[in-house]
Amino acid sequence: GAVVSQHPSWVICKSGTSVKIECRSLDFQATTMFWYRQFPKQSLMLMATSNEGSKATYEQGVEKDKFLINHASLTLSTLTVTSAHPEDSSFYICSADTGGYEQYFGPGTRLTVT
Amino acid sequence: GENVEQHPSTLSVQEGDSAVIKCTYSDSASNYFPWYKQELGKRPQLIIDIRSNVGEKKDQRIAVTLNKTAKHFSLHITETQPEDSAVYFCAASIGGNKLVFGAGTILRVKS
Repeated sequence: GAVVSQHPSWVICKSGTSVKIECRSLDFQATTMFWYRQFPKQSLMLMATSNEGSKATYEQGVEKDKFLINHASLTLSTLTVTSAHPEDSSFYICSADTGGYEQYFGPGTRLTVT
Repeated sequence: GENVEQHPSTLSVQEGDSAVIKCTYSDSASNYFPWYKQELGKRPQLIIDIRSNVGEKKDQRIAVTLNKTAKHFSLHITETQPEDSAVYFCAASIGGNKLVFGAGTILRVKS
């Protein structure tokens, strides 16, 4: 149980375009979903926290107009990277919890902006 | 805000030896401390966690100890195997069920 999926697993896009990443909890309803960013050989940095039906809470330094988060249901959250640039290239990982502390991670999405 | 420091950044051990990774945290309100294993290009996987009302927890070859007074917790892996090679992250909870992660430790088990 507690499986989280992400789509796509990898994506290449051109500079200036937007990319949408989906995060789904497959076998449970997620109280909260989290979006992380991970650069090569670095740790996971929390970008934002989202709850179904409400606006996402962004961490300090994360541009909310650039990283749009929509949490449409208890099983789906999306992250849209708008006007992507090469410096946005990274590994984006979502996670979900069921109300407790334990977070279940998705497999990640590798974004490359050319 | 919460700051989690993790040491060492890299650790090489011989197969069969033990490995210890240590973390310190700054927020005394933190009460949940998970450890994750991440293989290259894969998702972090929870390997063990501990809550603040417990000082030690063990699961087969893996154990975690917590010292709330000193604000540090450690991961112990005994009888290491080559498949234990990965990056390990500690984390500490902050408000709203959020986690702050340490910088990670690259563990290499040499056979």
